[in-house]
Amino acid sequence: KQEVTQIPAALSVPEGENLVLNCSFTDSAIYNLQWFRQDPGKGLTSLLLIQSSQREQTSGRLNASLDKSSGRSTLYIAASQPGDSATYLCAVMFSGGYNKLIFGAGTRLAVHP
Amino acid sequence: EAQVTQNPRYLITVTGKKLTVTCSQNMNHEYMSWYRQDPGLGLRQIYYSMNVEVTDKGDVPEGYKVSRKEKRNFPLILESPSPNQTSLYFCASSLVVGRQPQHFGDGTRLSIL
Repeated sequence: KQEVTQIPAALSVPEGENLVLNCSFTDSAIYNLQWFRQDPGKGLTSLLLIQSSQREQTSGRLNASLDKSSGRSTLYIAASQPGDSATYLCAVMFSGGYNKLIFGAGTRLAVHP
Repeated sequence: EAQVTQNPRYLITVTGKKLTVTCSQNMNHEYMSWYRQDPGLGLRQIYYSMNVEVTDKGDVPEGYKVSRKEKRNFPLILESPSPNQTSLYFCASSLVVGRQPQHFGDGTRLSIL
């Protein structure tokens, strides 16, 4: 069964810390992996999309890496800010299921001043 | 502004009363999809559409219908809603599935009494 797991489920850090969110998936045959941010009462905002042929993507203070062979992705957030507080979701589009995303349960991040 | 728009945002209704949740995108995207989000179960795909007049079931299609008569619209229809369809619903779209990020609407919270 194709599954996506995110660790930790929740994380609380002081402002300014660099932090890493982890995502693992059960099948290395993927089309892409996408990281989203979800704020309470809001929809999902796409942060980064990594194609299967890529190793990483960067946007501002965010960097996402992909290691297909080990079935892992990490989202690195540099110099965290209170505005980064949200739930971060990892979603994988597996080969053979290219029409849908399989989501992890998310990591709930709180950055306190 | 590029966006995916869902209506209504919130709805409380009763068992058996037919309802439609509308979804519209202004980005000329070919691919559209519906997900539901439930505590402990995460986001799961209900239906998707690769293009006009092309729709197919996702992982949890029971009790739902969709149609894609125009490229921009992808309504979700609950013919006879039941309490187990109480959930947070998201519509998503992308230009080319698998190659472009998926963009999500702000969600529709349905409560079926």
